[in-house]
Amino acid sequence: DGGITQSPKYLFRKEGQNVTLSCEQNLNHDAMYWYRQDPGQGLRLIYYSQIVNDFQKGDIAEGYSVSREKKESFPLTVTSAQKNPTAFYLCASSAGTGALYEQYFGPGTRLTVT
Amino acid sequence: LAKTTQPISMDSYEGQEVNITCSHNNIATNDYITWYQQFPSQGPRFIIQGYKTKVTNEVASLFIPADRKSSTLSLPRVSLSDTAVYYCLVGDLYDYKLSFGAGTTVTVRA
Repeated sequence: DGGITQSPKYLFRKEGQNVTLSCEQNLNHDAMYWYRQDPGQGLRLIYYSQIVNDFQKGDIAEGYSVSREKKESFPLTVTSAQKNPTAFYLCASSAGTGALYEQYFGPGTRLTVT
Repeated sequence: LAKTTQPISMDSYEGQEVNITCSHNNIATNDYITWYQQFPSQGPRFIIQGYKTKVTNEVASLFIPADRKSSTLSLPRVSLSDTAVYYCLVGDLYDYKLSFGAGTTVTVRA
């Protein structure tokens, strides 16, 4: 079965700790994305990567970091510098970048920081 | 990116047709219109995409008038399982940053 997996589904952390969210895809897609969703709102782009070893900041990158060492993997680290990290995080991938390419989303990770 | 405007919410009943209109007055010549569906606590999934006139697939239809300043997603004979948030996105071949606004929450009642 091809698809995107995110783990864990729920994650709890204490304030001041860094936390890394996993995202893996076996769709052989070049492009991968991280979005954040807050209650009742749309998705906001955190980072995206068009190819291995390359990534770009999205609209709300402050307090987050990513790496793209393998085509299949695009982990997101939420650092202690992120002022309001509690949110639903979604990872996506697509065969290419641009509106014509359908984005495939993972099931999401709900992060709660107290 | 073209700005889109869509209703915040819509209510319907099982078996009815639901039409969601999205306004995109500043759509550019190379822009495409895409709709995604999101269920609670899940990632969005692609529904349909079009450039002009009408596109139909097994799930929905997309109507785009000649001026392309709006588009209408049509969901035929909805069921309770169609209750979700529907997003209208407009972007061109090079728009890696698709803008997911607040979307339209569709609630289907029995």
